[in-house]
Amino acid sequence: QQKVQQSPESLIVPEGGMASLNCTSSDRNVDYFWWYRQHSGKSPKMLMSIFSNGEKEEGRFTVHLNKASLHTSLHIRDSQPSDSALYLCAASDTGGLSGKLTFGEGTQVTVIS
Amino acid sequence: NSKVIQTPRYLVKGQGQKAKMRCIPEKGHPVVFWYQQNKNNEFKFLINFQNQEVLQQIDMTEKRFSAECPSNSPCSLEIQSSEAGDSALYLCATRQLNYAEQFFGPGTRLTVL
Repeated sequence: QQKVQQSPESLIVPEGGMASLNCTSSDRNVDYFWWYRQHSGKSPKMLMSIFSNGEKEEGRFTVHLNKASLHTSLHIRDSQPSDSALYLCAASDTGGLSGKLTFGEGTQVTVIS
Repeated sequence: NSKVIQTPRYLVKGQGQKAKMRCIPEKGHPVVFWYQQNKNNEFKFLINFQNQEVLQQIDMTEKRFSAECPSNSPCSLEIQSSEAGDSALYLCATRQLNYAEQFFGPGTRLTVL
């Protein structure tokens, strides 16, 4: 069963606009969320991680986490064409034996000029 | 930037052939993960190691998949008898022992004809 759900599946954003992506885990053991960005033909690169309730900002990127609902969101402001990529949300149970990542199926973001 | 090395970058095999791919972890990263990303962007965790020991793995009941991380040699993932459904991007990720972030290599794209 899919334990990490992402929405929307795809998103078209005008250059300079705001992109908002959502992610929810159904696994109550999860305690860490990761946002990865994967450009076409490349491997995933970690953008941001969050494990505390609240908000974290790094440059144009902001992540929110609600631990009670296991929901996280990623917001990209002033979107640039180089932000066009697959955005993957992953969750991990860092207290677990392996700390493996469980990924959602991603949100494909396209920034148009 | 990730310093995880994966070889080969591309691998083409016929059905029933053996496919082997390798991963050299980033220096100082004793924990190694293998993931499979299919063409629908679905990620599947396969196996992970801490040094040479398996921490967790999926049920490779068909025993077609095997992996190892020998001391002083690259880690490897091998598919004994490739099937069309094995066509995917195989990603190796590594991390430090006490830091949860995983760093991905460029992947090996396997195509089974």
